[in-house]
Amino acid sequence: DQQVKQNSPSLSVQEGRISILNCDYTNSMFDYFLWYKKYPAEGPTFLISISSIKDKNEDGRFTVFLNKSAKHLSLHIVPSQPGDSAVYFCAARANSGYALNFGKGTSLLVTP
Amino acid sequence: DTGVSQDPRHKITKRGQNVTFRCDPISEHNRLYWYRQTLGQGPEFLTYFQNEAQLEKSRLLSDRFSAERPKGSFSTLEIQRTEQGDSAMYLCASYAWGNEQFFGPGTRLTVL
Repeated sequence: DQQVKQNSPSLSVQEGRISILNCDYTNSMFDYFLWYKKYPAEGPTFLISISSIKDKNEDGRFTVFLNKSAKHLSLHIVPSQPGDSAVYFCAARANSGYALNFGKGTSLLVTP
Repeated sequence: DTGVSQDPRHKITKRGQNVTFRCDPISEHNRLYWYRQTLGQGPEFLTYFQNEAQLEKSRLLSDRFSAERPKGSFSTLEIQRTEQGDSAMYLCASYAWGNEQFFGPGTRLTVL
């Protein structure tokens, strides 16, 4: 049972435009959400996160939005850069320090 | 480099052989996690330790899998009698406080 879903396997965006990656979850016990970025042959790297008590968190070019009622979150990257090309994983956990539940990932390609 | 390290980075083995992977977490991180990632999927939780105690195991961790963290520092993951379905990337992550887990580069296992 996939509790975290990323329904878009891939996304292609032009450099300078906005990239929007979406994520849905089913478990209402999740209280913290994270986005990880992964390059081939490397482990996931933490990007940005958001607590369930907030609806937005921003860090430079990256902003995560959380809609609890819809059980939906999104990652916005503005402006997109070719170096952002990677697989992005949405993850969620129910308690601090517990295991993360990951989506299947969205492969982002930013073209010049 | 004080990040999470994993050894080996790649392992090719024949079906039926035993393999062992090692993870060295970030120093003083008391929690250590093992995940498995197969093609087209996100990382899936296998097990985690708090210090030397193994606190949770996923149903994915069959009897052929065993993990240890004998002194609460590094951890090993052993797979006995490997099967082709065990081919995957095995990821280790560590955590001390806050919200994000820090991942190592992974060990890619190929079972022939």
